[in-house]
This record gives sequence, structure tokens and C-alpha cells, in this order.
Amino acid sequence: DTGVSQDPRHKITKRGQNVTFRCDPISEHNRLYWYRQTLGQGPEFLTYFQNEAQLEKSRLLSDRFSAERPKGSFSTLEIQRTEQGDSAMYLCASTINRVLVNTEAFFGQGTRLTVV
Amino acid sequence: QQQVKQSPQSLIVQKGGISIINCAYENTAFDYFPWYQQFPGKGPALLIAIRPDVSEKKEGRFTISFNKSAKQFSLHIMDSQPGDSATYFCAASFSGGYNKLIFGAGTRLAVHP
Repeated sequence: DTGVSQDPRHKITKRGQNVTFRCDPISEHNRLYWYRQTLGQGPEFLTYFQNEAQLEKSRLLSDRFSAERPKGSFSTLEIQRTEQGDSAMYLCASTINRVLVNTEAFFGQGTRLTVV
Repeated sequence: QQQVKQSPQSLIVQKGGISIINCAYENTAFDYFPWYQQFPGKGPALLIAIRPDVSEKKEGRFTISFNKSAKQFSLHIMDSQPGDSATYFCAASFSGGYNKLIFGAGTRLAVHP
């Protein structure tokens, strides 16, 4: 499978615990995005990487959230001290960089987080 | 100015009918307008996309109509099929903004046989 891969698909955690999600983008894609989708809503942008550099973070990304993309390949999104409001689907997308041109973003199947 | 407003929230269409979903935006810097289809438990998948230099784009049964002056665009699904039942999201981005997508709230489409 050469699509965007996310792991785990589902995560149930107790409030206050830390969780980490992984995203493996399409191999030649140097742009990687994290989005959050709550029930009945569209995905909301969280953060963006170009290669290993994190170039933009949304205000939605509180201090409890951190994302990395070491070596410009896979990415991880960590949430510390989870809260019930963090319950959502976390989506990863990747695309290839073309200067001043939008290219198709491919999404993974997401990680559904439930905080109890 | 970053919002994309989508309507209706839900839509029921008979098999063979036309499904129409509308979106409006404010930010005139947007230069890419994709539509995504999402099935339950899956990530969004690109259906069709348009740039503001054209007023219409058709791919099979799916057509995007784009009105730059009104800052509106719409998705038309012709000959709607039960397999089209899904949630549809319009989105917008601009090439100078790292191409991050700003999504509408989604339309849940049900096509009845």
C-alpha cells in the first residue's frame, strides 16, 4: 500500500495520559499536514511540515500538543495530559511541493482518539 | 476571512437525481478549491478540484461550478447513486499559504434507491 498510513487507527486513553500518533506519508511527498476532525465537522488544520521543518502551527495546537518529523520522513503527534475535549479524529495528509501550485493532498485513514 | 461556509448540512436525493452542494468563501487569496468525499471511518479523498481561472470543471458525473465574483462554488453530482452516499467537504487553499486546506463543515448526502 503506497498511501498515507496512520497508526494506531483507534486509541482510547484515560484523561491525563499522554498519547502519540504516527503518520507515514507517501514516500516522495515532502509536505506533511496534521488535521483534527470532530464529529460532524470538517477537518481543521493543526500543523504543517516541509521536509523536517515545522513551518506553521495553528492556534488550535495548544502547548500540550507537539509534532515532529525527524529526517523529513514519518511524523509523530503527541498530546500530553489528554483532556476529554481532545477526543477527535486526527488526520494526516501529505503532498508534493510544487512552487506556488497546489497539488492534491492525500489523507490517511486517521487515528480516532477517545479520552475517557 | 479564513472560513468556508457550506450548505446544506444534509441532503437526501433519489437515485438518478441531481445532488447540489454549495460553498462560499471570503478570502480572495484562495486559488484552489477542492471537493473531498469521506466515507465513515475513512479519511477524506479528493473528488474534483478547480482553480479560479475557470468557471466549470467536469469529471464524469461530478461538476464544479465556480463564480469568482460571488465568491461561491458548488458541486453537482449527476445521476446520483446509492454508492455516492457519503459526507462531502468543500475546501479552499492558497498557494502562498503552504497549501493548507480550509474545510467547510460538510454535507451528509444520502441517495435513496
